[in-house]
Amino acid sequence: NAGVTQTPKFRVLKTGQSMTLLCAQDMNHEYMYWYRQDPGMGLRLIHYSVGEGTTAKGEVPDGYNVSRLKKQNFLLGLESAAPSQTSVYFCASSSHATGTGLSGANVLTFGAGSRLTVL
Amino acid sequence: AQSVTQPDIHITVSEGASLELRCNYSYGATPYLFWYVQSPGQGLQLLLKYFSGDTLVQGIKGFEAEFKRSQSSFNLRKPSVHWSDAAEYFCAVGGSGGGFKTIFGAGTRLFVKA
Repeated sequence: NAGVTQTPKFRVLKTGQSMTLLCAQDMNHEYMYWYRQDPGMGLRLIHYSVGEGTTAKGEVPDGYNVSRLKKQNFLLGLESAAPSQTSVYFCASSSHATGTGLSGANVLTFGAGSRLTVL
Repeated sequence: AQSVTQPDIHITVSEGASLELRCNYSYGATPYLFWYVQSPGQGLQLLLKYFSGDTLVQGIKGFEAEFKRSQSSFNLRKPSVHWSDAAEYFCAVGGSGGGFKTIFGAGTRLFVKA
């Protein structure tokens, strides 16, 4: 059971370069999320998706774009990387809310992370 | 404003000693509360959650947490720490309807000494 898989695990970019992080989940979850983790700041939500074909901005969306063309995949793109985007990026997913069983929609399953360095 | 405060950036305990990690939150509605653990180089894993009912909740790996509404706290405890518990622990608060409402604390790193 793979859960949430992120690729690549490590990447070094030069300022101005572009790249895409891929997240794939095999749990048939409706919701998917991209977070960044920086020392002393916990996790901050970049973008999220509540279903295939939908995306929405989180707390720190500037400089990032996302796409959810397939239910199982959620892509995070950096069009022009900046040193401030050096971080560890985590993808997560959760199931959809069903009636009173809202708990599933709030429990996040995380990938192992992608460490990005922008020089 | 919604927020989560973990007052301790890092804590060191001896193996076999008890542990308590503090978490205070500010949330306008009835909160959903979580503790996640992150081992080095890994993603976050859910330890336990509180949605309603009994304010003392049990989680995996022998952890428990108590919700105290009057103190806006959700402290994590373990009676006897093992060396494998060394990790970073995140408290989080959210609302109903989706994980995009989840707010994470800055984390507390636990060191375990022999």
